Amino acid sequence: AQSVAQPEDQVNVAEGNPLTVKCTYSVSGNPYLFWYVQYPNRGLQFLLKYITGDNLVKGSYGFEAEFNKSQTSFHLKKPSALVSDSALYFCAVRDSLRGNTPLVFGKGTRLSVIA
Amino acid sequence: DVKVTQSSRYLVKRTGEKVFLECVQDMDHENMFWYRQDPGLGLRLIYFSYDVKMKEKGDIPEGYSVSREKKERFSLILESASTNQTSMYLCASSVPGQGARTEAFFGQGTRLTVV
Repeated sequence: AQSVAQPEDQVNVAEGNPLTVKCTYSVSGNPYLFWYVQYPNRGLQFLLKYITGDNLVKGSYGFEAEFNKSQTSFHLKKPSALVSDSALYFCAVRDSLRGNTPLVFGKGTRLSVIA
Repeated sequence: DVKVTQSSRYLVKRTGEKVFLECVQDMDHENMFWYRQDPGLGLRLIYFSYDVKMKEKGDIPEGYSVSREKKERFSLILESASTNQTSMYLCASSVPGQGARTEAFFGQGTRLTVV
């Protein structure tokens, strides 16, 4: 079975500091990994994805994520947080062995950037 | 840009009513999905569809049904609304061409309250 864990319900960071939102996954084959962001009362917006190749993936709004196969992790990072980054972040996975199946999402991490 | 449009942002319905949530996408995507989002539970898959007139149950299909008569439209039906179906409902679509490699695109969500 495929699954995603986001171990932190809430992450607080000061504006200008680096931020990390953690994600670990479990799949049978190779993972396809995704990050989404949700602002209040809105749908999910795609940020970035890892399919294959370079372990460091760059995405929208200055976000990046690092794929670590040995630790089965795909943590979201940003060098300098903005107050406007405050939102709910979701990690999602799809197992390469299961083909065209729906994404499986984590429970989300609420990021609060304090001015 | 891909656009996924949900017919209502907010809905208030009475217990026992039959409720229709409509979703339309304009990018000719074969795949469409319905998720519900609840605090602390993340996104849970209700139903999905890979083609017209085709549907598959997700993780929590009880109390719901779906209809896909046209490729661009995927409807979620609450046969007899109950208060435990009060939630945020999110529709999504994706292309199947590269299958697992593709991200899903989300609508803005419908916040349904059943009273």
